[in-house]
Amino acid sequence: AQSVAQPEDQVNVAEGNPLTVKCTYSVSGNPYLFWYVQYPNRGLQFLLKYITGDNLVKGSYGFEAEFNKSQTSFHLKKPSALVSDSALYFCAVRDMAGNTGGFKTIFGAGTRLFVKA
Amino acid sequence: DTEVTQTPKHLVMGMTNKKSLKCEQHMGHRAMYWYKQKAKKPPELMFVYSYEKLSINESVPSRFSPECPNSSLLNLHLHALQPEDSALYLCASSQVLGFDTQYFGPGTRLTVL
Repeated sequence: AQSVAQPEDQVNVAEGNPLTVKCTYSVSGNPYLFWYVQYPNRGLQFLLKYITGDNLVKGSYGFEAEFNKSQTSFHLKKPSALVSDSALYFCAVRDMAGNTGGFKTIFGAGTRLFVKA
Repeated sequence: DTEVTQTPKHLVMGMTNKKSLKCEQHMGHRAMYWYKQKAKKPPELMFVYSYEKLSINESVPSRFSPECPNSSLLNLHLHALQPEDSALYLCASSQVLGFDTQYFGPGTRLTVL
């Protein structure tokens, strides 16, 4: 079965510093990976996705993610963090092997990012 | 317009009440989703509609009843809920069912007393 793991419950970073939010995945075929962000009492917002192509994917709000097949990772990065980036971040993968024909998205447990001014 | 709207924003109901959640999108998307999210947890898929037909039901209890009257509208009818059903209910849509990006609404915060 497909799965994603976000090993850190919380990441703390100072404003202006680079940030990384980690994600590893386990899939039986080609991975289809996503990052979403959720602000308090709001729905999820799409940041970026990897389907195929370049390993470095650029997304919204200055975020990017690096797909690493050998390490089965899809870490989210930003060169310079802002206080307004503080939110809950979810990594997700399409479930291609389940009974739902690839139509179900499996979310990681989430990582809370805290950016200190 | 890349917006998914949900009403109401907040809902408090008793265990004997009947209520409905509403979700609307005008992006021409043909796939729509209901998720349940508990505090500090990831969203859990409940239902998926594709071209107004129910495609996926993730073994959700019958006290939750989805409805897709047209391609822009998705409802979730609630009846005889339990306190443990209190959660944030998120609606999402995507262009078609598959690998497309899902766009989420802000959610309805449901409290069952």
